[in-house]
Amino acid sequence: DAGVIQSPRHEVTEMGQEVTLRCKPISGHDYLFWYRQTMMRGLELLIYFNNNVPIDDSGMPEDRFSAKMPNASFSTLKIQPSEPRDSAVYFCASSPSRNRISYGYTFGSGTRLTVV
Amino acid sequence: QQQVKQSPQSLIVQKGGISIINCAYENTAFDYFPWYQQFPGKGPALLIAIRPDVSEKKEGRFTISFNKSAKQFSLHIMDSQPGDSATYFCAANNQGGKLIFGQGTELSVKP
Repeated sequence: DAGVIQSPRHEVTEMGQEVTLRCKPISGHDYLFWYRQTMMRGLELLIYFNNNVPIDDSGMPEDRFSAKMPNASFSTLKIQPSEPRDSAVYFCASSPSRNRISYGYTFGSGTRLTVV
Repeated sequence: QQQVKQSPQSLIVQKGGISIINCAYENTAFDYFPWYQQFPGKGPALLIAIRPDVSEKKEGRFTISFNKSAKQFSLHIMDSQPGDSATYFCAANNQGGKLIFGQGTELSVKP
């Protein structure tokens, strides 16, 4: 398996523009997570899905952020409009369901977003 | 109650020494405690994990010690090597499938 695949790896955009980050989880994993990492706040959980259904979006900073998972193999995180304070590394992770032995997450390589 | 507190924030160890990173939690419903290792430019990767019914787990040079009554757990890296230099995160799983991460420890192993 190729692991969790995120695209793009780097994104530079101007303030006010729409940004879409993409994630392909590991096949067979039932959970998908979106995290944001900054020096100040560490790893923050933004939202997670179970079987394509959003379970907890309490970490989404504000209405400018939205996430979708239209099917088991694809998810997007959208920021519209983007602001400089959104600059961070965004990670997607997936994990198998709880009734399996390991609860470990597999993270993607991240998308480094810079909003200028 | 959902927090995991990690210390120290940064750690410098000589090659061959023991690196120790500590974490504490409040929520007794947490049922799985993994450690993740992150190299620059990469996503965190699962290193080792423990369940609360076990007091210690060892994998190679990496050991987790778990103290359920104190609600603390720690990562010990024996014979630390320069290649171990990375950021380490402890985490705790709530029963809803969500991992709560500590703030991270930046480890530097000097040759």
